[in-house]
Amino acid sequence: EDKVVQSPLSLVVHEGDTVTLNCSYEVTNFRSLLWYKQEKKAPTFLFMLTSSGIEKKSGRLSSILDKKELFSILNITATQTGDSAIYLCAANTGNQFYFGTGTSLTVIP
Amino acid sequence: GAGVSQSPRYKVAKRGQDVALRCDPISGHVSLFWYQQALGQGPEFLTYFQNEAQLDKSGLPSDRFFAERPEGSVSTLKIQRTQQEDSAVYLCASSSRAGVGEKLFFGSGTQLSVL
Repeated sequence: EDKVVQSPLSLVVHEGDTVTLNCSYEVTNFRSLLWYKQEKKAPTFLFMLTSSGIEKKSGRLSSILDKKELFSILNITATQTGDSAIYLCAANTGNQFYFGTGTSLTVIP
Repeated sequence: GAGVSQSPRYKVAKRGQDVALRCDPISGHVSLFWYQQALGQGPEFLTYFQNEAQLDKSGLPSDRFFAERPEGSVSTLKIQRTQQEDSAVYLCASSSRAGVGEKLFFGSGTQLSVL
């Protein structure tokens, strides 16, 4: 059965902290791994990863994929209250996107 | 359109009523997906269209759920005889084509509450 597992389920940190969110996957015909940020309802795209070991960065956020060990991490440095959201990862198998349950991040001032 | 548009934003239904949820994808997007997201959970796949063809409906939880995309653009998800367990946010997403290198663009969802 195809599945995507995220950890931790929830996280509370103080502003300025660095966080690491984990995503492991077991799917057939893996194509890419995507990260989304969900603040209210509509998930918004953060990163798409297709190759192992190549870090993608956008400001304080970065992500990397390990296709041998079947996982990805999302790092957020110098967290801000605006980073509070649910972070979803999804595995793309070509015509299916399997989502994890998400990590709920709360950043307190 | 500029983004994926879903309507209504909120829907309250009495148990047993039929509901219809609409999704207007980004213009020209070939692929359209419906997801169900329960509180505290990630989106669960319901069904997938490529143009007007429904290629995968394996995620539809029962035969009370039906989706269509007759002209390959707007899609409707219909739920007949709603039950309380149908209460969730229904997300629609589209992508320009299927396959590698594609990402999903999501609408703001329809929050369905069945009383």
